[in-house]
Amino acid sequence: QVQMVESGGGVVQPGRSLRLSCAASGFTFSNFGMHWVRQAPGKGLEWVAVLSYDGSNDYYGDSVKGRFTISRDNSKNTLYLQMNNLRVEDTAVYYCARDLGSTTSHSPLGYWGQGTLVTVSS
Amino acid sequence: EIVLTQSPGTLSLSSGERATLSCRASQSVSSNYLAWYQQKPGQAPRLLIYGASSRATGIPDRVSGSGSGTDFTLTISRLEPEDSAVYFCQQYGNSPWTFGQGTKVEIK
Repeated sequence: QVQMVESGGGVVQPGRSLRLSCAASGFTFSNFGMHWVRQAPGKGLEWVAVLSYDGSNDYYGDSVKGRFTISRDNSKNTLYLQMNNLRVEDTAVYYCARDLGSTTSHSPLGYWGQGTLVTVSS
Repeated sequence: EIVLTQSPGTLSLSSGERATLSCRASQSVSSNYLAWYQQKPGQAPRLLIYGASSRATGIPDRVSGSGSGTDFTLTISRLEPEDSAVYFCQQYGNSPWTFGQGTKVEIK
């Protein structure tokens, strides 16, 4: 079955960096666009970034543009999120999610991991 | 950026009643690329509806979506206790993808 497991979360000081990973299984990873979505404690969902199935196109939310980089290693079935210059307001649970449909640029988020908590605090 | 506004903020209904949730977009959603998700406490969101009206796999037919352009609706007929959750709409037609702020459904 489709499964995504996030890792790499933790407590980090403002201005520092952190890299999240999302290990995928149960499907052909290289056929699907992948996203990061975050949720601050007690708040709603905020879309962070997407990377196309082949890694050729990436898009970011305005609040993370220029600080976060999404990448993937299709040989390892793994998605990454490099987060630089972290801010207190980046504190959230970070979910990776898979497009419902394959090799498409317009797809809802059909499958989600359980998330990893990132806390930015001094 | 397309802003999605959901209403009401909270809906408190009894089992067996119908829930009607609204999602209004600040501009037309391309090709009705509008989805609905359910999130229960401590869990990841789950896809319910995509393309404004198509049910995801395993979603019962008492859950339905409708609408087009800028106005969309999620309807849950015959509410059950397990429907207690927060529901989010999301547009995936234009970058950045955006979510509404959510509607909390409480079962009395």
